[in-house]
Amino acid sequence: GQNIDQPTEMTATEGAIVQINCTYQTSGFNGLFWYQQHAGEAPTFLSYNVLDGLEEKGRFSSFLSRSKGYSYLLLKELQMKDSASYLCAVHFNTGGFKTIFGAGTRLFVKA
Amino acid sequence: NAGVTQTPKFQVLKTGQSMTLQCAQDMNHEYMSWYRQDPGMGLRLIHYSVGAGITDQGEVPNGYNVSRSTTEDFPLRLLSAAPSQTSVYFCASSYSHRLNYGYTFGSGTRLTVV
Repeated sequence: GQNIDQPTEMTATEGAIVQINCTYQTSGFNGLFWYQQHAGEAPTFLSYNVLDGLEEKGRFSSFLSRSKGYSYLLLKELQMKDSASYLCAVHFNTGGFKTIFGAGTRLFVKA
Repeated sequence: NAGVTQTPKFQVLKTGQSMTLQCAQDMNHEYMSWYRQDPGMGLRLIHYSVGAGITDQGEVPNGYNVSRSTTEDFPLRLLSAAPSQTSVYFCASSYSHRLNYGYTFGSGTRLTVV
């Protein structure tokens, strides 16, 4: 089966750096997504990692280790507007073309 | 481009009623999918389609039907609504071979079954 784990909640301070971890167990791994979702809104795409290593996009970076089934999302220079849920999702091709989401991590940014 | 359009935005159904949630995209995306989101459970895949005429089941398909007669439209039908289907439903689409652009989500349909 497919399983994705991420912490339920995290709290960080404005201006700081926070790392949100995601571990997964899946067969037929194709890639790993990170999405941001503000309360009451639809998810928005942040990143998609296929190969091992770190990819940087402005204040956001995403890391993948396929051998360890592990990824993290790094948010730098935190802003109040970064308070949201962050969803880790794995795309795989076993038994179809599917993307399965973790339960999400709610991040609270405090002043 | 309008992106992914979902209708209605809100709906209240009585137990046993049927209805169709609409999803349309104008980006010529091959891949379309339906998710439901419940508190503490994240997004769960209901059904998906990799192109017109092709559909397949996701994690939680029971009680739902889909069809894909055109590239643009992917409606989700609730056959006989149950309170357990109270949820927020999201439609998402993407290019099948360009996942580095991610999925585009519709704004969601908030469904309550009483």
